[in-house]
Amino acid sequence: EAGVAQSPRYKIIEKRQSVAFWCNPISGHATLYWYQQILGQGPKLLIQFQNNGVVDDSQLPKDRFSAERLKGVDSTLKIQPAKLEDSAVYLCASSRGQGAAEAFFGQGTRLTVV
Amino acid sequence: SQQGEEDPQALSIQEGENATMNCSYKTSINNLQWYRQNSGRGLVHLILIRSNEREKHSGRLRVTLDTSKKSSSLLITASRAADTASYFCATVSGTYKYIFGTGTRLKVLA
Repeated sequence: EAGVAQSPRYKIIEKRQSVAFWCNPISGHATLYWYQQILGQGPKLLIQFQNNGVVDDSQLPKDRFSAERLKGVDSTLKIQPAKLEDSAVYLCASSRGQGAAEAFFGQGTRLTVV
Repeated sequence: SQQGEEDPQALSIQEGENATMNCSYKTSINNLQWYRQNSGRGLVHLILIRSNEREKHSGRLRVTLDTSKKSSSLLITASRAADTASYFCATVSGTYKYIFGTGTRLKVLA
């Protein structure tokens, strides 16, 4: 089966600019996650979708970050305006969302804010 | 905040030796999973242990879970250079929320 697809792989922007990341999860996976991973740290959950509804966005900085999942499939994560501390790898993952399921991760988007 | 705390933060061993890393967490879980991350890549699932299990094996991997102490350990036996990576534990709640620990950076020297 095809894995989780993310694009772009790399992005360099100036502070105060906006940026968007795209994710296509594994077909049939109900649950989709966006994580932020700062160098040397573990992934931090930003937002969790179940189908096209938000389950948890408690750690999403809503003044600058937004995310949507259209028709319960693809998802986009946007940052506007970006800050230097947003430099990180943004990982998308999906899971079946039932039973004892594993999460499948994309390769991530490495964002550098200068 | 991160759910799990792992130790050691970094571990360096010789090829053929065993590597043990530990994870502690704070709240009740549905299951606990371990993932590997090679430099600059996404995370890959290694093994899952349910909250009612105490030990699980998969190839060279052995994971234990002690829910009374809210802790888990991952043992990699007969390590290889290819095992060099960062290892993360992830606790999974009933809402299928995966919360990752701080990670252990393992380096296996040939």
